Amino acid sequence: GNSVTQMEGPVTLSEEAFLTINCTYTATGYPSLFWYVQYPGEGLQLLLKATKADDKGSNKGFEATYRKETTSFHLEKGSVQVSDSAVYFCALSSNQAGTALIFGKGTTLSVSS
Amino acid sequence: EADIYQTPRYLVIGTGKKITLECSQTMGHDKMYWYQQDPGMELHLIHYSYGVNSTEKGDLSSESTVSRIRTEHFPLTLESARPSHTSQYLCASSVGATRSYNEQFFGPGTRLTVL
Repeated sequence: GNSVTQMEGPVTLSEEAFLTINCTYTATGYPSLFWYVQYPGEGLQLLLKATKADDKGSNKGFEATYRKETTSFHLEKGSVQVSDSAVYFCALSSNQAGTALIFGKGTTLSVSS
Repeated sequence: EADIYQTPRYLVIGTGKKITLECSQTMGHDKMYWYQQDPGMELHLIHYSYGVNSTEKGDLSSESTVSRIRTEHFPLTLESARPSHTSQYLCASSVGATRSYNEQFFGPGTRLTVL
């Protein structure tokens, strides 16, 4: 079946450090891929998405590239800020009508000044 | 910006009480979902709906029930709350089958504590 595996946290960085959160997936066909972010006490917000191979999603300085050959969708940011501290979820949609998203377990990021 | 609302945001109740968690969206989305989020932050799908009068159980077994009488409203009910129901509950919605990639919009969540 379809699944998402993302690196376990917590990830602790200093401000302005480079961030990578790894995400790999298993799916049949051509899924769409997402990164969601959850700030403390809030629901999830869509951070970025990619719907086909080699697409790059980007938002707020974060980027992720849909790599079908390595079945990966790693999240990166060149210079993190304290305000980026949150839980990050990788997710996929199988593109079949009526299917729910499949989420990874989430990675907690803590950025200190 | 997504318009999906959950009430209450926080709820503390005693064991055995019946509770209903409300979820409403104003986007006209066909699909709606309930997730339970454990302390480790992992999300578990407990219920979903593809439209009015459609409800299905999700991957995680839950003692809760849901209804979908109106497109915009997807309440979740616990007939008799127990401490094991203590969790964060997240509601989400997405456009129907005409959009293939199923982007979901989330409400702010209800943090439930059962004493």
